[in-house]
Amino acid sequence: ETGVTQSPTHLIKTRGQQVTLRCSSQSGHNTVSWYQQALGQGPQFIFQYYREEENGRGNFPPRFSGLQFPNYSSELNVNALELDDSALYLCASSLDLGGGGEKLFFGSGTQLSVL
Amino acid sequence: ELKVEQNPLFLSMQEGKNYTIYCNYSTTSDRLYWYRQDPGKSLESLFVLLSNGAVKQEGRLMASLDTKARLSTLHITAAVHDLSATYFCAVDMDNDMRFGAGTRLTVKP
Repeated sequence: ETGVTQSPTHLIKTRGQQVTLRCSSQSGHNTVSWYQQALGQGPQFIFQYYREEENGRGNFPPRFSGLQFPNYSSELNVNALELDDSALYLCASSLDLGGGGEKLFFGSGTQLSVL
Repeated sequence: ELKVEQNPLFLSMQEGKNYTIYCNYSTTSDRLYWYRQDPGKSLESLFVLLSNGAVKQEGRLMASLDTKARLSTLHITAAVHDLSATYFCAVDMDNDMRFGAGTRLTVKP
């Protein structure tokens, strides 16, 4: 157990809908990252938040957006869902002390299916 | 663009044997990570390598980093069935963590 919890664990949506995924970081962690993992592939970096500000973004369109709250919990929002958005969405938290190389602690993920 | 390539992608080995998984990356970075993922589960952090020549060992797994060659290796010694999983390497470039495609390891009795 990493102390990172995600909800819901599974979700089914239809194309064009919007979805919000939630992540509760490990206690004391100030950084959260979100990843998309398609079946049989490695995770792809969506974005990272540090102290409520976006701190890095991967190659994902603007319809993928996020928030980090003062208690360091986080949301991933996806608008206008497409079939290719079907994947496992992982969040990972870490404690950024400025030196780099922090270990990431992953949640169990949300399996999103878009029909 | 940063690319991370692992090989092999699939590895079937007998218990007790040794093997090495390779991770090559395309741009300069001195932050290399190894993760393990069991089927249907999340990722577990194995190693964080932060400098050229770094070597870390945990049980039957040993990871190393050669930043000049842009290569990391994950060596498995005397494999046991419990090591069966998918192993990912990942490279950190300015808060953009790029993962390899993963090596699916099966250890057979």
